[in-house]
Amino acid sequence: EAQVTQNPRYLITVTGKKLTVTCSQNMNHEYMSWYRQDPGLGLRQIYYSMNVEVTDKGDVPEGYKVSRKEKRNFPLILESPSPNQTSLYFCASSLNRGSAQYFGAGTRLSVL
Amino acid sequence: GENVEQHPSTLSVQEGDSAVIKCTYSDSASNYFPWYKQELGKGPQLIIDIRSNVGEKKDQRIAVTLNKTAKHFSLHITETQPEDSAVYFCAASRGGSYIPTFGRGTSLIVHP
Repeated sequence: EAQVTQNPRYLITVTGKKLTVTCSQNMNHEYMSWYRQDPGLGLRQIYYSMNVEVTDKGDVPEGYKVSRKEKRNFPLILESPSPNQTSLYFCASSLNRGSAQYFGAGTRLSVL
Repeated sequence: GENVEQHPSTLSVQEGDSAVIKCTYSDSASNYFPWYKQELGKGPQLIIDIRSNVGEKKDQRIAVTLNKTAKHFSLHITETQPEDSAVYFCAASRGGSYIPTFGRGTSLIVHP
């Protein structure tokens, strides 16, 4: 089954404690991205990757890091989480730019 | 950059009625317009998309129309059913961009 898998689904942490949210896709897609979803603001892109070892900033990259060492994986790293990063996060992948995106089920993060 | 406005933010209809959600965009170079449906606790899922060289596209009870001159596009759902209840997002992106811009979402409620 074609899918995008995120882990964990729920995460509660404290300010400053580094965390990683994993994302994996099994569709051999070139393009992967991370979004955050906040009430009333819709989906905002954090980072995206066009291929292995190629990443770039989206609209709201501050406080986040990403890496793309393998085509299927695109982890999101919060080196020093802060309460304003409490949000619902989605990973997505697509065959290429300008095509439909497939989203994971989401990771709900709370930073205390 | 691109700006996408989506209306209404909430739409309540009776089962069997039609529902229309409208989006306007600002970048005349945008040429790909997908619509996503997000059910509670899940990630957004593509339901229909349209490219700028097409004015209308249908898929069973769902249709999307695009007016390039006015820079707006709409989602039409006919014969609504309770399972259509969800949050719907529109998005716009230009051909060379990896950063789609999403609308803020419409919560559709279909009453049985």
